[in-house]
Amino acid sequence: EPEVTQTPSHQVTQMGQEVILRCVPISNHLYFYWYRQILGQKVEFLVSFYNNEISEKSEIFDDQFSVERPDGSNFTLKIRSTKLEDSAMYFCASRGTVSSGANVLTFGAGSRLTVL
Amino acid sequence: RKEVEQDPGPFNVPEGATVAFNCTYSNSASQSFFWYRQDCRKEPKLLMSVYSSGNEDGRFTAQLNRASQYISLLIRDSKLSDSATYLCVVSVPLVFGKGTRLSVIA
Repeated sequence: EPEVTQTPSHQVTQMGQEVILRCVPISNHLYFYWYRQILGQKVEFLVSFYNNEISEKSEIFDDQFSVERPDGSNFTLKIRSTKLEDSAMYFCASRGTVSSGANVLTFGAGSRLTVL
Repeated sequence: RKEVEQDPGPFNVPEGATVAFNCTYSNSASQSFFWYRQDCRKEPKLLMSVYSSGNEDGRFTAQLNRASQYISLLIRDSKLSDSATYLCVVSVPLVFGKGTRLSVIA
């Protein structure tokens, strides 16, 4: 079964450092997403990406966040200057077109970010 | 962003029991509805989509009431492996409820 792959699985960083989380979506998918889940809280939408541009973003996705699809396979989330409150599990997700499975998202296993 | 509300539980039920979860959503323009399942410290995984006419997948039945903006999930004959957090999810991009925790006890 095709899967979304995320790296690293866990990253520990110092406050103020830059972090890049990487995702390889399912190969024929066209829509890409980042979500985060702070421990014990709900899964929160960060940003969606389609056709090489951001299609929607939440209020959480401020200027310290950016996304990029640098090549045909990777989809990255960069946090420019990490804060303690950025500590969370970050999930990447992707989906195909409506005809290939409606709006069903497939999630990666997540990257756990710990900011000290 | 509009909200999705769920009873957080936990629901502790014996094996074989029937259990029902409810969810309400506030965005009347929502078009797509799902139940996802999340095991501890794992990613959400799709359990089932929810269709207007209601739908069933084995022991799981989902219902949607658009007028009341209400979604439900019924699990029959609960198994130990059903223990997880069940997330009510609405539209795209997906808006998640906080989840209802289910523990099935032997």
